[in-house]
Amino acid sequence: GQNIDQPTEMTATEGAIVQINCTYQTSGFNGLFWYQQHAGEAPTFLSYNVLDGLEEKGRFSSFLSRSKGYSYLLLKELQMKDSASYLCAVQTDSWGKLQFGAGTQVVVTP
Amino acid sequence: AAGVIQSPRHLIKEKRETATLKCYPIPRHDTVYWYQQGPGQDPQFLISFYEKMQSDKGSIPDRFSAQQFSDYHSELNMSSLELGDSALYFCASSPTGGGNTEAFFGQGTRLTVV
Repeated sequence: GQNIDQPTEMTATEGAIVQINCTYQTSGFNGLFWYQQHAGEAPTFLSYNVLDGLEEKGRFSSFLSRSKGYSYLLLKELQMKDSASYLCAVQTDSWGKLQFGAGTQVVVTP
Repeated sequence: AAGVIQSPRHLIKEKRETATLKCYPIPRHDTVYWYQQGPGQDPQFLISFYEKMQSDKGSIPDRFSAQQFSDYHSELNMSSLELGDSALYFCASSPTGGGNTEAFFGQGTRLTVV
């Protein structure tokens, strides 16, 4: 079966850094995606890793280790608007469907 | 920039009724995905289409069917609705068959079955 694990909730203060870890065990691997989702809204794309290493995109960075089945999303200089659910998703084949983790609710406090 | 358009945004149906959800992908995107997201759950893949042919199938009930039309829009048909079908239904689109590229999600259709 497919298994994608991430913490349920994390709390951090405005201006701080938060790291959301994701571990996965899937039948196939064609890339790992991070999406942000505010309650009741559409998931919005944040980052994509298919090779090992770090991808940096403004305040967001994502890291992948395929041998360890591990990724993290790093959010820097946290802002109140970053309070949302962050979904780790694995693309398991070349047809593009995503297998999502349960999401990590990040709460940013003043 | 154009985004994925879904209609309707909200839908209320009674048990055993039918519902049709529509999705208009981003222009020149040839792949469409349907996901179901229950309250407090992560999105679950239902079905996808590439170039108007079904490309992949997930946990879609037999009561549901979908298709992609010649203009690339897609419709999800749901029959014999059950209370458990109440959820947010997202459509997503991507270019070039979908692999190794992000999917862009529509705003979703919130279906409530009463």
